[in-house]
Amino acid sequence: EAQVTQNPRYLITVTGKKLTVTCSQNMNHEYMSWYRQDPGLGLRQIYYSMNVEVTDKGDVPEGYKVSRKEKRNFPLILESPSPNQTSLYFCASRQGDYGYTFGSGTRLTVV
Amino acid sequence: RKEVEQDPGPFNVPEGATVAFNCTYSNSASQSFFWYRQDCRKEPKLLMSVYSSGNEDGRFTAQLNRASQYISLLIRDSKLSDSATYLCVVKKNYGGSQGNLIFGKGTKLSVKP
Repeated sequence: EAQVTQNPRYLITVTGKKLTVTCSQNMNHEYMSWYRQDPGLGLRQIYYSMNVEVTDKGDVPEGYKVSRKEKRNFPLILESPSPNQTSLYFCASRQGDYGYTFGSGTRLTVV
Repeated sequence: RKEVEQDPGPFNVPEGATVAFNCTYSNSASQSFFWYRQDCRKEPKLLMSVYSSGNEDGRFTAQLNRASQYISLLIRDSKLSDSATYLCVVKKNYGGSQGNLIFGKGTKLSVKP
């Protein structure tokens, strides 16, 4: 089944403790992206990658890092999480002019 | 002006009603357009792409007006299961970060028995 898999689904962590949210797609898509979704603000892009080793900032990159060492994986790294990074996170991938396929989301709470 | 704007709703309609969602986009260079559906606390899912000539998929009809930079989605004979938030999406074909998809904030629909 074609899908985007992100883990974990739910995470509660403490301020400053480094964490990684994994994302993997099995569709051989070149383009991958991370979004966060907050009430009243909609989906905002954090980082995106147009191919292996090619990443760039989206609209809200502060406090996040990404890497794209392989085509299928695009992890999101929070080196020192803060409470304002409490949010619902989505990884997505696409190819060409087609729309995104999204992962099921990661609900992160930073206390 | 925001890149993609939608009426936030909510739209509360009875079953069987016809509902129309509207969306405007700011940059005339945009080339690809989509409607997504998002259920509460779930991931957005592609509902349909929007083509210049307009397109239909069952009870759903999407229209594009490039001159007015306006996209619409019509749902006929609405069902309880249509209750969700509908997101208008535009592919960025201009400036930096070309190829990115820009999401509207969504319009919430509640279909009541």
